[in-house]
Amino acid sequence: KQEVTQIPAALSVPEGENLVLNCSFTDSAIYNLQWFRQDPGKGLTSLLLIQSSQREQTSGRLNASLDKSSGRSTLYIAASQPGDSATYLCAVTQTGANNLFFGTGTRLTVIP
Amino acid sequence: DGGITQSPKYLFRKEGQNVTLSCEQNLNHDAMYWYRQDPGQGLRLIYYSQIVNDFQKGDIAEGYSVSREKKESFPLTVTSAQKNPTAFYLCASSIAGGKAFFGQGTRLTVV
Repeated sequence: KQEVTQIPAALSVPEGENLVLNCSFTDSAIYNLQWFRQDPGKGLTSLLLIQSSQREQTSGRLNASLDKSSGRSTLYIAASQPGDSATYLCAVTQTGANNLFFGTGTRLTVIP
Repeated sequence: DGGITQSPKYLFRKEGQNVTLSCEQNLNHDAMYWYRQDPGQGLRLIYYSQIVNDFQKGDIAEGYSVSREKKESFPLTVTSAQKNPTAFYLCASSIAGGKAFFGQGTRLTVV
């Protein structure tokens, strides 16, 4: 069964710093990988989706990379802001399936 | 605006009572999902549906039931057989292989 792991579980950085969040998965037979943001008590907002054939996706200050063969993805956040404080979750869609397998998330705090 | 709507935002259940959580989407997505989120754990799949009148059990379906009579709606019933229902419930929808869109969640508490 697919297992998704996110390290670290929590991260605090000063405003303006660049940072990297990590996601690893055990089964490389994935269709795509998504990064989500969740604010406390709220639903999830999709940030970036990377298809299995792609290596990276960019949106504004966010860049997500995917190395399917090694089972890893990273989310790079440039010039972090206090408004970036949230929990970030990654999720993979298995090939031949439609449901998502989620990691437990990284709780990010950006200190003004 | 297109989106996915969950109601109610907060729900209280008495012991032995069945309760139904609503999920409606106007994104014209075929696939819909219910997840449960507990503190310190990732989202766990309860049920999913890829087409009207069809749905599949996820990892933790025991004590839950669903229906998919319309494309837009995928209600979840938490039955009295679910012994530990207190959690945050999230509904999502997507096209096949596409981005998943989530509702704002329903927080269910047993009183």
